[in-house]
Amino acid sequence: QSVLTQPPSASGTPGQRVTISCSGSSSNIENNYVYWYQQLPGSAPKLLIHRSNQRPSGVPDRFSGSKSGTSASLAISGLRSEDEADYYCAAWDDSLSSVLFGGGTKLTVL
Amino acid sequence: EALLVESGGGSVPPGGSLRLSCVGSGFTFSKYEINWVRQAPGKGLEWVSYISTGGSTIYHADSVKGRFTISRDDAKNAVFLQMNSLRAEDRALYYCARRGDGDYGHMDVWGKGTSVTVSS
Repeated sequence: QSVLTQPPSASGTPGQRVTISCSGSSSNIENNYVYWYQQLPGSAPKLLIHRSNQRPSGVPDRFSGSKSGTSASLAISGLRSEDEADYYCAAWDDSLSSVLFGGGTKLTVL
Repeated sequence: EALLVESGGGSVPPGGSLRLSCVGSGFTFSKYEINWVRQAPGKGLEWVSYISTGGSTIYHADSVKGRFTISRDDAKNAVFLQMNSLRAEDRALYYCARRGDGDYGHMDVWGKGTSVTVSS
């Protein structure tokens, strides 16, 4: 069981906006940055959001991240079929001295 | 382009050992910290180990502590994961990932992974 909690699934239709939540605690999300990774089927994970709300070069601005207290969210606007993937949040945990990943959210584009 | 390539995976019986390698190219390898992350079949990502530049700081997940050891050889642009006393639950695709310039959770370059199977 992951210490960072994500919904197992999310869905939306093309053009819609969807959000994926990630819940943690004061030892991880509240006091450290949150990262979001996208994993397309059969591929390695790819960094999507860093430092809680920053996009790496090349990531469309349809993707955005936010953090408040012990929770974080990934928002995807203008949903496209190619966004269908697994999404993982991650954060350093000060108490465990470990990187924690959420359990992952499978996004389906209907 | 920065690249990471893993190798060394395979099939071993329970209690066996494997040594995974991660070789970097396209960047100054010695200046970057490296993580190992694994993914069991059909499951999510699990962080395994971290090594700092120079190898002075190392962290391991509790699930592998005392069994896995991470090390690096910057002359070979390589990081290694020595895995001993392997268990069925260690079966996974093992990725190495470069730490970016954020904190420990920042992994900006990933390899394609090497597969480990533990079975009698």
